[in-house]
Amino acid sequence: QKEVEQNSGPLSVPEGAIASLNCTYSDRGSQSFFWYRQYSGKSPELIMSIYSNGDKEDGRFTAQLNKASQYVSLLIRDSQPSDSATYLCAVRQSGAGSYQLTFGKGTKLSVIP
Amino acid sequence: EAGVTQFPSHSVIEKGQTVTLRCDPISGHDNLYWYRRVMGKEIKFLLHFVKESKQDESGMPNNRFLAERTGGTYSTLKVQPAELEDSGVYFCASSQSSGGETQYFGPGTRLLVL
Repeated sequence: QKEVEQNSGPLSVPEGAIASLNCTYSDRGSQSFFWYRQYSGKSPELIMSIYSNGDKEDGRFTAQLNKASQYVSLLIRDSQPSDSATYLCAVRQSGAGSYQLTFGKGTKLSVIP
Repeated sequence: EAGVTQFPSHSVIEKGQTVTLRCDPISGHDNLYWYRRVMGKEIKFLLHFVKESKQDESGMPNNRFLAERTGGTYSTLKVQPAELEDSGVYFCASSQSSGGETQYFGPGTRLLVL
């Protein structure tokens, strides 16, 4: 069974610090990787997508992908209290016509002022 | 531009009853997905429509669940009869085309079966 694993947390970091969120996946053929942020009671909101090995930066967010290690991470620089949320790692499975996302359980991040 | 909307936001029903959830995707999005999150578990895929056709229904748990998307616009997900284990949050998402990678999620419908 194809799986996505994340530490459930909570992960607590002080305001201004770097938050590091990690995710591993089991399907070696996966091609697309996503980080969603979900505030309590709200819809998951896409914050980063990454498709090739290496780093991808967008503002305070950096996604890192290592397909050989089947590992994807999200770094949040200069963490703010408003970043406090659950971060969901999602992987699009390989296979023709398959667009479903497989999610991890999410990591709850708390940024302490 | 309006996002994905879902109705109702909450539903409380008794075991054995029927519930119908509705999803309105972002206008112009051909792809519509249903996902579910049960308590303590991860969000799991249920099915995928391309326009009015079911592209992938591999995640549907059993034949008590029926999804439709007549006319390729909004979609409904009916649970009949509902069981206790059907409780959870049902999310709908949409994306722009078959190659569209970004799936935009709705706020979810919180279903509680008593």
